[in-house]
Amino acid sequence: AQTVTQSQPEMSVQEAETVTLSCTYDTSESDYYLFWYKQPPSRQMILVIRQEAYKQQNATENRFSVNFQKAAKSFSLKISDSQLGDAAMYFCAYGAGNMLTFGGGTRLMVKP
Amino acid sequence: DAEITQSPRHKITETGRQVTLACHQTWNHNNMFWYRQDLGHGLRLIHYSYGVQDTNKGEVSDGYSVSRSNTEDLPLTLESAASSQTSVYFCPRVSPCEQFFGPGTRLTVL
Repeated sequence: AQTVTQSQPEMSVQEAETVTLSCTYDTSESDYYLFWYKQPPSRQMILVIRQEAYKQQNATENRFSVNFQKAAKSFSLKISDSQLGDAAMYFCAYGAGNMLTFGGGTRLMVKP
Repeated sequence: DAEITQSPRHKITETGRQVTLACHQTWNHNNMFWYRQDLGHGLRLIHYSYGVQDTNKGEVSDGYSVSRSNTEDLPLTLESAASSQTSVYFCPRVSPCEQFFGPGTRLTVL
């Protein structure tokens, strides 16, 4: 069974600074997807970024980028120029066969 | 537009009662999933279906059942609700390589 581990229960960043959230996963599959979801207090899960495992190039979405290390099974999220609205729970997820396995989450706090 | 409808949005029930949560999709996708999320934790897979008459157990299926009699619906039934099943339940909209989550159904078992 696949497992996803987020080793940082909480992270804090100063507004306008950069923060990196860590995620590792375990799988024997070669074809899969990786995701970062943001969950604000409203509890709606918002897709932040997606990475296809077959792509070597790291995905980027505006201020959000990933560092995908397939051999190390590592998938970290970098948030640049942090904003107060970035404060939320962030979940890393592994997807294969259209099924998702989630990590336990990292709570990100942004200090003004 | 393809939509997903979960109902009810909020439900309070008592221990031992049977409860059914509805998930209705209009995107005509074979795959449907149910997850639960407990406070401060990630989502965990309860049951899933890859098509009509197909149902499969996920990581936390004990105490839950699903049925898939048509493409559009995957109702989730708690046969005898327990306080440990107090949670938020999600049935996401599925695309070929992504899942989109709405606000879910908040279930409280007293």
